[in-house]
Amino acid sequence: QVQLVQSAAEVKKPGASVKVSCKTSGYTFSNYGVTWVRQAPGQGLEWMGWISPHHDDTNYAQKLQDRVTMTTDTSSRTAYMELRNLRFDDTAVYYCARAEGYCSRGTCYSGYSDSWGQGTLVTVSS
Amino acid sequence: QSVLTQPPSASGSPGQRVTISCSGSTSNLGSNTANWYQQLPGRAPKLLIYSTNQRPSGVPARFSGSKSGASASLAISGLQSEDEAYYHCATWDVSRNAWVFGGGTQLTVL
Repeated sequence: QVQLVQSAAEVKKPGASVKVSCKTSGYTFSNYGVTWVRQAPGQGLEWMGWISPHHDDTNYAQKLQDRVTMTTDTSSRTAYMELRNLRFDDTAVYYCARAEGYCSRGTCYSGYSDSWGQGTLVTVSS
Repeated sequence: QSVLTQPPSASGSPGQRVTISCSGSTSNLGSNTANWYQQLPGRAPKLLIYSTNQRPSGVPARFSGSKSGASASLAISGLQSEDEAYYHCATWDVSRNAWVFGGGTQLTVL
């Protein structure tokens, strides 16, 4: 069955970086991209971006594009999300999810997320 | 402030029918299908409805979705205690070139 298993919780100081991993199994990795979504305590879901399984094409949320980098390692079927210059309001549970999509002329479109990881809590605290 | 608007809470008694609304604009729900996620307390979201009214394998037929213009609805019939959860609507926004979500609706089974 489709599985996405994320890395363990992290505690970081303001200004630091965090890199969350998402190891996938149970499907053809090259047929789906990976979406990242976060949820601050007591808040709704926020889409962070999507990465294609091909050529690492990405589509980032505008508010995060200066601080986020998404990558994949096809050999290990793992996706990564790095967030830099952490702020207190980056404290959230970060989720990866499988999503189809495509890129054309520098623009990427992704579909709905049908399978999700268990979430990784990132706490930013001084 | 979420792009899509959902009521913060909804409730119903076991066996009743409950609907949760989600309103957007021409750039999101007005031009794309609606998707719904169920999130049990402390758990990851789970896809409940995709492409406005399609249920993934394993989702009971008690859950149904619809859309009219820039508004969408999730209906749950024959309400059960295990349906107590948060429900999030989501869709693609063509102006933002990004996915947008509602703020989530907490469903309480009385």
